[in-house]
Parts: sequence; structure tokens; C-alpha cells
Amino acid sequence: DAGVTQSPTHLIKTRGQQVTLRCSPKSGHDTVSWYQQALGQGPQFIFQYYEEEERQRGNFPDRFSGHQFPNYSSELNVNALLLGDSALYLCASRRQGVGEQYFGPGTRLTVT
Amino acid sequence: GIQVEQSPPDLILQEGANSTLRCNFSDSVNNLQWFHQNPWGQLINLFYIPSGTKQNGRLSATTVATERYSLLYISSSQTTDSGVYFCAVEGGGSYIPTFGRGTSLIVHP
Repeated sequence: DAGVTQSPTHLIKTRGQQVTLRCSPKSGHDTVSWYQQALGQGPQFIFQYYEEEERQRGNFPDRFSGHQFPNYSSELNVNALLLGDSALYLCASRRQGVGEQYFGPGTRLTVT
Repeated sequence: GIQVEQSPPDLILQEGANSTLRCNFSDSVNNLQWFHQNPWGQLINLFYIPSGTKQNGRLSATTVATERYSLLYISSSQTTDSGVYFCAVEGGGSYIPTFGRGTSLIVHP
């Protein structure tokens, strides 16, 4: 039973650039959520995708956007990167938007 | 939105000691999970416990929804228990999970 997978593991970008992170949900799950975790903080909810639509969104600017594909995998896009976007980005999946969430290993983004 | 507070923020133990971690939340709860984050950042599921008591080996958890708190018990701690423990709560009519700031646990041999 494959768990949640994310790619890439690490990424270094320059201010102003754009980045795309990828996530494949746990087998049998159809809902994907993205979180940002700054150093020393708990994860902060960015948004959730279900049935290829953004269903819920946290307090993040429009520079953060996403997509969900028919196979339930998802992408997180961040435009016009800022130094403050440096963080661990976590993807989580669950079934039909409720119940227990399972997290992937994360993508560590460094913006220089 | 719902507020989540964890205590203590830091905990240092000798191997073999027991500990209790607390998670307080400000509204009615729909879902509550406890996670252990290892040094590489992976969040590991410990308990899905919106109410009641569960046990898994040396770990157990209790959520008292009416009093708006959850407890995580670690018995006979081991060095591999070191890391940060988070609770994540969905409540107050929202299904957006809110994480606490975590409890950082260090277990010395």
C-alpha cells in the first residue's frame, strides 16, 4: 500500500522565480491538502483539493495556486517567490475530505 | 477559527520516564489527530481520536471533547521517541485542520 509521495525532496530557488511541487496521495484517497511549515512552527493549511477543485483555502496569497489531476495527484505552484516562502511544504491525503489524514515526507524549499 | 494550544513547549526526559502532553482547543471538535515529527520532517500518525481513549503499545491518548482537551501519554520513553509532537484539530464548524505549535521532546539515554 503506497503512502503519500512528494517530489522533489529539496529545492533551491531565487527570489522572483516560480516553483512547482508535486504530490501523489495514498492509495484509495481522493482529497489532497497542502501545508507550509516554517522552522519551529506547526504546519499551516494552504488549501485542499477534492474532485479537481479547490474546496477550502487558508490565509495564503494568490501567489499560491494548485491543481488536482483526474488520478487525484496534485501540484502546488508558488509564483514570485519571496525569501519568506522558504519552508517545508507538506502534502496530506484523506478520503472524501474527512477522516484521518496521512502526510508525505515533504519538500524543503529554500529561496535565496 | 479554532485555537489550539499545546503544553509543555519543551520536555527533556531520561530514558524510561513517563510523560503527558496536552492539547487544548477552543471550540467543538470534529476531528483530532496526534502526530510525531521525526528529525527529517516526516509527520507520523499516532492517533486519530476525536473522542475517547486509544492505546498503541507504550503510547495512549484520551480526548475529552466536552472539556476541549486531549492528552498523549508516553510510557517508558526511549531515545527514538525524541522529536516534535503535534496535535491537529478540526472544529468550530470547519474541516480545516489547525495545528498547535508542538511539544519538543528530547529523551536522553
